[in-house]
Amino acid sequence: GAGVSQTPSNKVTEKGKYVELRCDPISGHTALYWYRQSLGQGPEFLIYFQGTGAADDSGLPNDRFFAVRPEGSVSTLKIQRTERGDSAVYLCASSSGAGHETQYFGPGTRLLVL
Amino acid sequence: AQSVTQPDIHITVSEGASLELRCNYSYGATPYLFWYVQSPGQGLQLLLKYFSGDTLVQGIKGFEAEFKRSQSSFNLRKPSVHWSDAAEYFCAVGDTNAGKSTFGDGTTLTVKP
Repeated sequence: GAGVSQTPSNKVTEKGKYVELRCDPISGHTALYWYRQSLGQGPEFLIYFQGTGAADDSGLPNDRFFAVRPEGSVSTLKIQRTERGDSAVYLCASSSGAGHETQYFGPGTRLLVL
Repeated sequence: AQSVTQPDIHITVSEGASLELRCNYSYGATPYLFWYVQSPGQGLQLLLKYFSGDTLVQGIKGFEAEFKRSQSSFNLRKPSVHWSDAAEYFCAVGDTNAGKSTFGDGTTLTVKP
């Protein structure tokens, strides 16, 4: 079956602009995660959804970052007033549950803020 | 707070040689532990995971890892490396009460012919 998909694959924007990154999880997966990976580093947790609700948003760096999952499937990560430091690869993962359930990662969206 | 340390930023091995990638974690209880591989332009792929039971875990592509509680380690091993194993490897610890994983900064593996 289809894996996790993310769109766009690449996004170039200017400092101060608003961007939306989309994640389509594996069908039936109730858990969805967003991570951010900067160059030379491992993925950094941002937010975790169980169904429609954000179960843990402790990794969001500030209030410019927001994510939604209104129907418990597709999720959108929204970044307002982008800054150059937001440039990174944004990864989405989904799993059939939390804890030790395997997280399946998408290919990521590479965001470049000029 | 949970954390993961991968002491080796870059490792080079000859094809056919054995491999061990180190991972040390910090977590307050019995952790969930994972190893992922990331090839250029590819997403993260799970190699293996540990959450209970036998401390020696077998994974895909001939990899294995051993959980050692006394050393807070979860090192990844492979007896004979293939050129296609060249990639970046990430160790991660999962929160047993929630979903998030904390990753190390990765080890880049280069395989010499």
